[in-house]
Order: sequence, then structure tokens, then C-alpha cells
Amino acid sequence: EIVMTQSPATLSVSPGERATLSCRASQSVSSNLAWYQQKPGQAPRLLIYGASTRATGIPARFSGSGSGTEFTLTISSLQSEDFAVYYCQQYNNWPGWTFGQGTKVEIK
Amino acid sequence: QVQLQESGPGLVKPSETLSLTCTVSGGSISSYYWSWIRQPPGKGLEWIGYIYYSGSTNYNPSLKSRVTISVDTSKNQFSLKLSSVTAADTAVYYCARDEGYYGVWGKGTTVTVSS
Repeated sequence: EIVMTQSPATLSVSPGERATLSCRASQSVSSNLAWYQQKPGQAPRLLIYGASTRATGIPARFSGSGSGTEFTLTISSLQSEDFAVYYCQQYNNWPGWTFGQGTKVEIK
Repeated sequence: QVQLQESGPGLVKPSETLSLTCTVSGGSISSYYWSWIRQPPGKGLEWIGYIYYSGSTNYNPSLKSRVTISVDTSKNQFSLKLSSVTAADTAVYYCARDEGYYGVWGKGTTVTVSS
């Protein structure tokens, strides 16, 4: 099973600042990597797929990069609505697609 | 656009079978894979399994012995059964459209395992 490791566990950022979230795979997942945002009491929302393609309706301040085992989600200028938990997920290697444990982005 | 809605009992007794249904509206269940994903309180996301509209399935190896996912294309629904539940199966259960990634999710339903 591919293990996805996200860092940091918690990221404290001021509104308007840049946030950089990392996700590492225990073996290569090519570019088959997605990012999700989850707010309390809500289902996750797809932000990025294919490591760098924004999903429909996702603002341009969200960007994804990386391939193989190292991936990054960047939020260029944090808005109040961006404070949430973010998950990465690989969909390259079987058995079973796997998620990271999440990074919580909180207000500094 | 496609919407998903989970339904089923919110409380299940230990050792019994958890049963949930996901209804797909605004589109056809055909030509896609459909997954169940769960999230224990305060924890991360765990994929449970998927089903193709034709009926082929694949399950998380850690749950495989207890999971059955089925589809009813006439009702545009797919269902989850998880047997021999324990408190560790308490979670929010989501259904989602599976394209490798999950672009469409239900709102989730909370299932508590307790006597």
C-alpha cells in the first residue's frame, strides 16, 4: 500500500500570506495525485487533480505541483474561506487509492 | 449537475450489519465508478471500495472480508453493506464518483455503532 505523508500537520498563516503544503508518497505515483479541501461538517471538495490541474470553479490562487513522490499545494494569498484541512490522495498504485493524514491551515 | 445523497440508519448495534444507499441524481450512474469513503470522528479519510455500473467491484484489503457493494442501475443507486461492525466503524460515510480522484461527493451520513 502506498503511504501518503503530509507536512506539516498544522500550518499557521496570516490572511493574505502564502501557504505551502507538502505531500510525499512512499513510492512513485507519477502525476496521479489529487488535493482536497475540507471544512468542518462538510464533505471534501476537489481542488486539484493530475497533480496540477485545477478542478472546475477552483480559484487561481490554488496551484499544485510535483510528480513522482513529492508534491506541493500552494495557496498564493490566503483568504478567510481557505482556513480548512487539506488532504492529498494518490490514485496511481493499487491496492486502493490512499489519502494523506491531512494538513490543517489555521489563522495565525 | 450530478448530486449524491447517502441514506440509511444512523445507529447500528455492534456485530450487526451497516447498510447505506447512495442515490445519484442529475445524471446517470452508467459509465462511471462509484466509491464509498469513510471518516472516523476527528480522523482522516479511508477508501472502502468501489463499484462500476456493470457491477464489478474492488474493496480495501483491510475491510474486504466484511464489505459488499452493489448497484441498482434502474434506481440510479448503489449500496454498501459492512458486516460485524464494532465501535471502530463509527464514522461519517460518504459516497463519491470515482474517477481515480473524487470530483463529486455526497454530503455524508454519520453512522454510530453502539448498543
